[in-house]
Amino acid sequence: QLQLQESGPGLVKPSETLSLTCTVSGGSITSGIYYWGWIRQPPGKGLEWVGSISHSAATFYHPSLESRVTVSADTSKNQFSLRLTPVTPADTAVYYCVRHKDSGNGADAFHIWGQGTTVIVTS
Amino acid sequence: EVVLTQSPATLSLSPGERATLSCRASQSVGIYVAWYQQKPGQAPRLLIYDASNRATGVPARFSGSGSGTDFTLTISSLEPEDFAVYYCQQRQHWPPLTFGGGTKVDIK
Repeated sequence: QLQLQESGPGLVKPSETLSLTCTVSGGSITSGIYYWGWIRQPPGKGLEWVGSISHSAATFYHPSLESRVTVSADTSKNQFSLRLTPVTPADTAVYYCVRHKDSGNGADAFHIWGQGTTVIVTS
Repeated sequence: EVVLTQSPATLSLSPGERATLSCRASQSVGIYVAWYQQKPGQAPRLLIYDASNRATGVPARFSGSGSGTDFTLTISSLEPEDFAVYYCQQRQHWPPLTFGGGTKVDIK
């Protein structure tokens, strides 16, 4: 059964870089036609899609974050990553890594989620 | 960007009652709406995709309907474990993939 696990620093200073990694187990990041993405949830608020990388390494980002975000994949480690810079306190959130399928007419729903990791931006 | 508006914000019901949650899109999204359930401290869980298809392992009391701009999630008879927050999400027009603001179903 495919599982996703986020990892990375829980505290980041304003103006610095948030870097998170999602480790995929129970399956290969290169098998099938999937997107690997990130969703975040500020404390007490709703869900916001951040960005995704496709099986062909194409990247897609939320327009409001596009200038600050990078999603990349390391197939040798079966991992994908999120980089957000520079950060502000508004980037404080639980960050989830997700898998969604390329359905042929776009990105499918988010079928598989990691458990989430909390990132707090504070000086 | 497609804006999804969920109503009501909070739904107070008793176990055994029927829950009807609404999601309205700012433009047509075809059938490409999904529904998620989130309990406190947990990741969201996919319930319904493409308006009416139940995800793996989702009980039959959960059903989805709708197309275009109006979508509904129905829980036919609330079980104690169904009290949670529910989000809709569209995939027709992206990026960005967008979510509604959520409906909290709590115990009356």
